[in-house]
Amino acid sequence: DTGVSQDPRHKITKRGQNVTFRCDPISEHNRLYWYRQTLGQGPEFLTYFQNEAQLEKSRLLSDRFSAERPKGSFSTLEIQRTEQGDSAMYLCASSAQESPLHFGNGTRLTVT
Amino acid sequence: GQQVMQIPQYQHVQEGEDFTTYCNSSTTLSNIQWYKQRPGGHPVFLIQLVKSGEVKKQKRLTFQFGEAKKNSSLHITATQTTDVGTYFCAGIIQGAQKLVFGQGTRLTINP
Repeated sequence: DTGVSQDPRHKITKRGQNVTFRCDPISEHNRLYWYRQTLGQGPEFLTYFQNEAQLEKSRLLSDRFSAERPKGSFSTLEIQRTEQGDSAMYLCASSAQESPLHFGNGTRLTVT
Repeated sequence: GQQVMQIPQYQHVQEGEDFTTYCNSSTTLSNIQWYKQRPGGHPVFLIQLVKSGEVKKQKRLTFQFGEAKKNSSLHITATQTTDVGTYFCAGIIQGAQKLVFGQGTRLTINP
């Protein structure tokens, strides 16, 4: 079990720039989730895939955020025109059909 | 708005004391899961409860799911320094698929 891997671990960007994060789930898991976590808060749901289909997207997510999972394996999360409020830890998790989530180590985004 | 509420936000105990965190939802949950996040780490799954009134134990940890499937609790007996971390409940709202996390309870322990 190689676990869920996320890249990069840290990203510092200037306001207005675009950033893209990658998540490689556990290979046999068909579900993939993106969450955002800020200090002292619980993970906040962003979006969820079953295989390559994006089944749900948080209403909190603005049009600047987009996620893909083109072949039902790895996923990317892109944030366009970053704002300081986007600074957070972005967590990816995967699961088999009804099983619990396995989280990656996250990508810490800092927008200056 | 927040659908899964968790209290307290912080709890500091002496080593050996008990600890309890409570989770409440405004709507019925299909199941409830508990996760632990160590400082600097990511959430790690502890347990899942599915049935109304279910109680599960893992060594010193006792998990309960309420009869109405709207609340849950985690109780740790005789805390140890290894129990330090933030404990999150997370529930799936009936009819939905996403897992919604509570705000977490941060446990610190005085050795």
